[in-house]
Amino acid sequence: AQSVAQPEDQVNVAEGNPLTVKCTYSVSGNPYLFWYVQYPNRGLQFLLKYITGDNLVKGSYGFEAEFNKSQTSFHLKKPSALVSDSALYFCAVRDEGGSYIPTFGRGTSLIVHP
Amino acid sequence: DAGVIQSPRHEVTEMGQEVTLRCKPISGHNSLFWYRQTMMRGLELLIYFNNNVPIDDSGMPEDRFSAKMPNASFSTLKIQPSEPRDSAVYFCASTKTPGLGDYEQYFGPGTRLTVT
Repeated sequence: AQSVAQPEDQVNVAEGNPLTVKCTYSVSGNPYLFWYVQYPNRGLQFLLKYITGDNLVKGSYGFEAEFNKSQTSFHLKKPSALVSDSALYFCAVRDEGGSYIPTFGRGTSLIVHP
Repeated sequence: DAGVIQSPRHEVTEMGQEVTLRCKPISGHNSLFWYRQTMMRGLELLIYFNNNVPIDDSGMPEDRFSAKMPNASFSTLKIQPSEPRDSAVYFCASTKTPGLGDYEQYFGPGTRLTVT
């Protein structure tokens, strides 16, 4: 079975400050991990993914995420937040040896204050 | 590429009416997913097709919901009869068949359904 948790419903950060959106997962085998962003009245948009290789993954719009196998985490980070980063962020996981269907977290609302 | 196309973007209908939502996946993608998003339940997978064949429909709420994919470039999600609790945003997403080097999903803009 595979599952993913986003422990924070909302994250508030001031513009210019670093941001972190947390994600933890559970799989039986090796994880495939994804981050998506959803702006108001839009569909989800792919940000980055971890399949294998370097634990630090860089993605769109200056975002990056760090895969930590021992902590089963895949937190999304950005060194300096922008007001335009305010959106809903989803983490998703798929077990390499499991179904082809990813499991999505409930989403974390990121609010960046000017 | 135009991305995943969904129509209509907004649908308002009365309880008991039939509703049909449409999706055109990205050319070359052979996996298609229908999702429903609400504030209460978040993002829910309804059905997954691979090569036009329904693989997993365990998320379809009840018999009032049905989905088809007659060819690689078109899918429909039908609700008959519709009920107020079906009000939600319905998304279609497509991807290449997952394998080594997994593929991300590409989502359409969604259809906002309101059933009165």
